Amino acid sequence: DAGITQSPRHKVTETGTPVTLRCHQTENHRYMYWYRQDPGHGLRLIHYSYGVKDTDKGEVSDGYSVSRSKTEDFLLTLESATSSQTSVYFCAISGRGAGANVLTFGAGSRLTVL
Amino acid sequence: EDQVTQSPEALRLQEGESSSLNCSYTVSGLRGLFWYRQDPGKGPEFLFTLYSAGEEKEKERLKATLTKKESFLHITAPKPEDSATYLCAVQASSNTGKLIFGQGTTLQVKP
Repeated sequence: DAGITQSPRHKVTETGTPVTLRCHQTENHRYMYWYRQDPGHGLRLIHYSYGVKDTDKGEVSDGYSVSRSKTEDFLLTLESATSSQTSVYFCAISGRGAGANVLTFGAGSRLTVL
Repeated sequence: EDQVTQSPEALRLQEGESSSLNCSYTVSGLRGLFWYRQDPGKGPEFLFTLYSAGEEKEKERLKATLTKKESFLHITAPKPEDSATYLCAVQASSNTGKLIFGQGTTLQVKP
């Protein structure tokens, strides 16, 4: 996972608490993505960013917000965590946008909401 | 709606027993089809990109092919280290960089 790190890697929290996951890249890539992976659903896009302060929603964005104040950092926030948000969250980066591009993934952050 | 369906969900092979994984897709203008490998507890790792029907790509024991409706990942004489989940994803021409993933095929190769 050279060039992309996620933190924390594991987190257990309680329903109703706020949670922030961080993705940090050293590749200077323009595009960054947050996916969640659940059994039976595969990888689903939550939010993505196409530049500093430029973000857009994915297919499962309800209950999540994102921020990107610097090229290298993309934060995913759960304002009030629910049990349905228990999942493994992956950050991905890409250097290209409009063309067919390869996503490079981080190692994942496992979140458990009790 | 863009959609990707992979089959089978799980596949068990004996070492050396060749087989194929299927990825069927519907997309509004295919910009690219991707294959990834994912090991337990890790993020997906890129294998191939295919851009147009008829295209083929190979890497060691893996060969990916593409038609207008589906892609196949052929595994020739697999080894136990090929055991992993294989993910297929498509990028539509209308979406900026976003990939739509299938649910994956979990492959187990027994020695």
